[in-house]
Amino acid sequence: DADVTQTPRNRITKTGKRIMLECSQTKGHDRMYWYRQDPGLGLRLIYYSFDVKDINKGEISDGYSVSRQAQAKFSLSLESAIPNQTALYFCATSERQGPTDTQYFGPGTRLTVL
Amino acid sequence: GDSVTQMEGPVTLSEEAFLTINCTYTATGYPSLFWYVQYPGEGLQLLLKATKADDKGSNKGFEATYRKETTSFHLEKGSVQVSDSAVYFCALSFYNQGGKLIFGQGTELSVKP
Repeated sequence: DADVTQTPRNRITKTGKRIMLECSQTKGHDRMYWYRQDPGLGLRLIYYSFDVKDINKGEISDGYSVSRQAQAKFSLSLESAIPNQTALYFCATSERQGPTDTQYFGPGTRLTVL
Repeated sequence: GDSVTQMEGPVTLSEEAFLTINCTYTATGYPSLFWYVQYPGEGLQLLLKATKADDKGSNKGFEATYRKETTSFHLEKGSVQVSDSAVYFCALSFYNQGGKLIFGQGTELSVKP
């Protein structure tokens, strides 16, 4: 079984709808992240969480919110989806390992907003 | 702000050719540097990393050396295989910023038999 899972894997929705993307992990890591990937732009950080009570905005948090329901679960919501939120969304986890973290990514959710 | 720039793709090579993917960074301080790889239809996975100047990261025949003087972390492989076809991302992070990654735009590699 995959260590980091994301649901759904694909979603098509309409402008103005509320959407929730879910991430679960079995790695036991405290740190979790949400990124979006756009062609030619790489991955950009939306939100990150160091534990259940510690949630922080990333580079592009406008239009998104998150919920850390438990150590293993971190959800991303689009309160009112718009077409420029069409992208590939990745969840990741990490743990402190010396001077660096290694991040472990889920398989991604492809979101299309019409 | 801190940023990472990679050479534009796609890069198309024949099997057994030599690979270089250029990566340079701009940062205030001394970040850790990473290469992540994304195979078709999958999430990213760590390929290699280096945490200080002159460190060499290596894995699966790929290598990259942290060059502080040129702020670079170029990825190389002596003989690519079809199975190396993927998108490669260079990234940096700082120890005191909770491991947040700043990514380059990605370079697509296609290896032909």
